[in-house]
Amino acid sequence: QVQLVQSGAEVKKPGASVKVSCKAFGYSFTSYYMHWVRQAPGQGLEWMGTINTSDGETRYVEKVQGRVAMTRDTSTTTLYMELSDLRSDDTAVYFCARGGWLELWPFEYWGQGTLVTVSS
Amino acid sequence: DFQMTQSPSSLSASVGDTVTITCRASQGISNLVAWYQQKPGKVPKVLIYAVSTLQSGVPSRFSGSGSGRDFTLTISSLQPEDVATYYCQSYNSVPWTFGPGTRVEIK
Repeated sequence: QVQLVQSGAEVKKPGASVKVSCKAFGYSFTSYYMHWVRQAPGQGLEWMGTINTSDGETRYVEKVQGRVAMTRDTSTTTLYMELSDLRSDDTAVYFCARGGWLELWPFEYWGQGTLVTVSS
Repeated sequence: DFQMTQSPSSLSASVGDTVTITCRASQGISNLVAWYQQKPGKVPKVLIYAVSTLQSGVPSRFSGSGSGRDFTLTISSLQPEDVATYYCQSYNSVPWTFGPGTRVEIK
């Protein structure tokens, strides 16, 4: 069955970078768009960006543009999200989520989430 | 900037009540609106997509409607397991945008 398994929690200092992974199981990896969503403690959901897993094309929310890079490794069916120049307000649980084979599709499957804590 | 607002931000209702949550887009959008349920400490789960299509496996007491700027999630006959935060989402263009959420509790 479809599973998205994310890497473990991270603690980083302000100004550092973090790279979160999301390994996909149980479906054709390059047939579906993938997304990253984050949720600050006690707050709502914030969409960060999407990647076309077939050709690697990405689109990001303006708020993190220039600090985020979403990539994928088709040989290992793994998605990556790297966020640089971390700030305290980047502290959040980061989720990967599978979209559809069409770009405009909701998120049916989610990873378990990765807590990233930014603290000096 | 495009925004989705939700009302109310929280509500408390009795088991068996009908609950309605409203989402308003800052501009008219297509029918690419979804609703998610997130229980405490859990991952979000899609309930409704394309405004009114029920995701497979979701109980039929959940329904969605709306068009233009205004969209609604209705829970008929609220159950104890429906305690959660509910988010609307517009996915018709970048950025995919979530509403701020509505917390639903049992009275």
